[in-house]
Amino acid sequence: DAKTTQPPSMDCAEGRAANLPCNHSTISGNEYVYWYRQIHSQGPQYIIHGLKNNETNEMASLIITEDRKSSTLILPHATLRDTAVYYCIVRVALSSSNTGKLIFGQGTTLQVKP
Amino acid sequence: DGGITQSPKYLFRKEGQNVTLSCEQNLNHDAMYWYRQDPGQGLRLIYYSQIVNDFQKGDIAEGYSVSREKKESFPLTVTSAQKNPTAFYLCASSHGLAGGREQYFGPGTRLTVT
Repeated sequence: DAKTTQPPSMDCAEGRAANLPCNHSTISGNEYVYWYRQIHSQGPQYIIHGLKNNETNEMASLIITEDRKSSTLILPHATLRDTAVYYCIVRVALSSSNTGKLIFGQGTTLQVKP
Repeated sequence: DGGITQSPKYLFRKEGQNVTLSCEQNLNHDAMYWYRQDPGQGLRLIYYSQIVNDFQKGDIAEGYSVSREKKESFPLTVTSAQKNPTAFYLCASSHGLAGGREQYFGPGTRLTVT
């Protein structure tokens, strides 16, 4: 699986948009970009994923560059409960020839401040 | 509510004892996974199962065993052969072999072996 690069930490003011970048310059054409977050001592929570197009759901928006070498997760109105470690992961679609495992790197620790 | 449950949340065992961690899902997912997380580290895949009565070793299967007798259940046994069993254990599930499917995680079981 391709590797990702994320800044180790970021701060964001409560109520403002949090923009978390991720570089995945070696991504393959059949690899998806996933975002998860993990609040301390809890299981990772799925946020959003995409292949080529930008995606939006009730939690966040995912902006993928046209060359797919980088992406940005946007939390439109960050709250204190959004403080967590955010993981950007690239992975091929689950199939009979792969495990579907997610490779979690170090992620970005987002601290939302009042 | 649909989701993944893991029990117990905290588990303490003496060295040399086998221990079984429970994972149940009512999401009708075909695939289930066990990961291990050590402090400050990402997740590592122990075992995975894409269908009932079938499972495969992940990256760190030594000292662990699993079974998949029912679609809803994927228990993990940590045997006395596992040299460093103290860790945070996470179970996940996803739909089967199609497309870019997200994995949903349970709340985790923190195992301490002394």
